[in-house]
Amino acid sequence: AQSVTQLGSHVSVSEGALVLLRCNYSSSVPPYLFWYVQYPNQGLQLLLKYTSAATLVKGINGFEAEFKKSETSFHLTKPSAHMSDAAEYFCAVSDLSNFGNEKLTFGTGTRLTIIP
Amino acid sequence: DARVTQTPRHKVTEMGQEVTMRCQPILGHNTVFWYRQTMMQGLELLAYFRNRAPLDDSGMPKDRFSAEMPDATLATLKIQPSEPRDSAVYFCASGLGLNQPQHFGDGTRLSIL
Repeated sequence: AQSVTQLGSHVSVSEGALVLLRCNYSSSVPPYLFWYVQYPNQGLQLLLKYTSAATLVKGINGFEAEFKKSETSFHLTKPSAHMSDAAEYFCAVSDLSNFGNEKLTFGTGTRLTIIP
Repeated sequence: DARVTQTPRHKVTEMGQEVTMRCQPILGHNTVFWYRQTMMQGLELLAYFRNRAPLDDSGMPKDRFSAEMPDATLATLKIQPSEPRDSAVYFCASGLGLNQPQHFGDGTRLSIL
């Protein structure tokens, strides 16, 4: 079965600084990977997804993620943090352990704080 | 933009009462998921449906929780009887199937006193 590990439950960066949120996955088959963002009192919103078409994936709000098979990683980055980026971020992997299984396995989340 | 709609947004009730949460998935989506989010456990999958058929409810306490899809536009999650430990935010999500992203509603914040 697939699993996802998000390193760092809390990350703080200064406004304008680089944002780097880490995600490592384990999978016995080529994975489909997703990043979601959750703002306070809201549901999860899709930021971007990797579906094997390209290793560098661009998402909304200036975020991007790079799939590195050799490192089993799918880290999320943004060159310049904005105050509005403060939220919780979740990495997720499709569970392909059973054919036709559409479940996603989510990481435990990383809370991003932006320092003015 | 099409959205998943959940009602109610907030619910406060006393222990032992029945609670019903409703979800309207995005039109045309064939998979529906129910999740529970708490500080301690994070995001947990309770149940999911494909084409209205329940496929996996292994994450759900069977003795008190039940999930149904009476039709393609409505999914329900019921708790009877409710207990204080059921206090959490419950999310519904819908999607287009394998390897496709799930689209989340804004959740029902449930407090059991």
